[in-house]
Amino acid sequence: GAVVSQHPSWVICKSGTSVKIECRSLDFQATTMFWYRQFPKQSLMLMATSNEGSKATYEQGVEKDKFLINHASLTLSTLTVTSAHPEDSSFYICSANLDSSSSNYGYTFGSGTRLTVV
Amino acid sequence: AQSVTQPDIHITVSEGASLELRCNYSYGATPYLFWYVQSPGQGLQLLLKYFSGDTLVQGIKGFEAEFKRSQSSFNLRKPSVHWSDAAEYFCAVGWGAQKLVFGQGTRLTINP
Repeated sequence: GAVVSQHPSWVICKSGTSVKIECRSLDFQATTMFWYRQFPKQSLMLMATSNEGSKATYEQGVEKDKFLINHASLTLSTLTVTSAHPEDSSFYICSANLDSSSSNYGYTFGSGTRLTVV
Repeated sequence: AQSVTQPDIHITVSEGASLELRCNYSYGATPYLFWYVQSPGQGLQLLLKYFSGDTLVQGIKGFEAEFKRSQSSFNLRKPSVHWSDAAEYFCAVGWGAQKLVFGQGTRLTINP
């Protein structure tokens, strides 16, 4: 089945530094990827939608200059948390949607990245 | 605005008992419907999905869900739960090839 590989699975960084999270679609081409953030004991909140070769679309309230998304190829999307602060500590999950015109339609999720900013 | 509601934040059932987790959505167009399960610190695993056809959908791990258009609901059921079913369950709804909207989640605890 379609697999999205997300790395790293956890990262600890110092306040003020930047962290890059990668999501790769292993056996399919992901023209669209979604980035979610999940705080403890809460649901997933969509941060942004990235389309290959174009600028990401950010949800209201998400700082696009802080959360940089790059989707330069059909198999790789990255999220960079710039100048991270403790309040950015969260669980970040990427997702790709599969062919919406077929019975295989659905979304596949990465395994998530636990970011802790100290 | 599109929204998904899971009315039960936390449910506790005894092992072997039946289970039903509720999910309702707003917005009139027929959506794509999903149930996911998440163990602590893990990503999401798809249990089942519906986008057309038979409104009773069978999924993995013995779960099923029924789409009721008149009630805008997609409740998840399992006739007999196992201790390994303890986890967080999320209902998610999509419209076309757009983003998924997630419910708040229901935490399931299993009593031995």
